[in-house]
Amino acid sequence: EAEVAQSPRYKITEKSQAVAFWCDPISGHATLYWYRQILGQGPELLVQFQDESVVDDSQLPKDRFSAERLKGVDSTLKIQPAELGDSAMYLCASSFSGPGVDGYTFGSGTRLTVV
Amino acid sequence: AQSVSQHNHHVILSEAASLELGCNYSYGGTVNLFWYVQYPGQHLQLLLKYFSGDPLVKGIKGFEAEFIKSKFSFNLRKPSVQWSDTAEYFCAVITTGRRALTFGSGTRLQVQP
Repeated sequence: EAEVAQSPRYKITEKSQAVAFWCDPISGHATLYWYRQILGQGPELLVQFQDESVVDDSQLPKDRFSAERLKGVDSTLKIQPAELGDSAMYLCASSFSGPGVDGYTFGSGTRLTVV
Repeated sequence: AQSVSQHNHHVILSEAASLELGCNYSYGGTVNLFWYVQYPGQHLQLLLKYFSGDPLVKGIKGFEAEFIKSKFSFNLRKPSVQWSDTAEYFCAVITTGRRALTFGSGTRLQVQP
C-alpha cells in the first residue's frame, strides 16, 4: 500500500531555533496538505498545495512558518524561530483529486518538541 | 465557516459493549463527511465516508455511521467493540467551496478486556 513519507519522525529543538519537516506524498497525488495536531485536539490545516501552488495558507502563521513544494512533488515546512507553543504533531496528507472524493492519506507525522 | 463538534472526549467501554460516538457539524449546505481513526502509534486512517445516497454508511472493521441531515449529525456506531478498537476517533467535514477537511477535536475510546 502506497504511503505518505514524512521525516524526521521526532524532533527536539530549542526555542528560537529553526526547524524543518519534509513530506513526500503518494506518487501522482496533486494535492498536499500540512496539518498541525496539538495534543488532545484534532488536526488543524496549516497549508494546502495543488501541485506547486498554494491553495490555502490562511491559517499559516506566516511570520514564522513557511512551506514550499517547488516541483509539485515533495514539500518542506519550516518554522523559524520555533516557539514553545509550536510543540505539536505535524501531519502531512495527500489526495489524488481533493478530499471530496477519496479523503486523504496521512503520513505518520513529525512530533516536534520545543524546549 | 464549517466546524465539527465531538462532544464525547473520552469514552470507556467493556468488550462487547455497543458504541456510539457523536459528531455534529455546522453548515447548512451540501457536506461530505468522514470518520478517521488513529490507533496508538499509528497514522490517521480513513474509517468511512459519506458523499451522497444511502445515509447509512458502512466502513471497515464493522463500523457504520448514519448521516441525519435534519440533526446535522454523523454519529459513528459499532454493535460490539473489541479491545483492538482502542484508539482516537476523529470526525471531519468538507463543504461546498472548501478544499480541505475540517476535523473535530476527537474522541478517545478505551476498550477494557
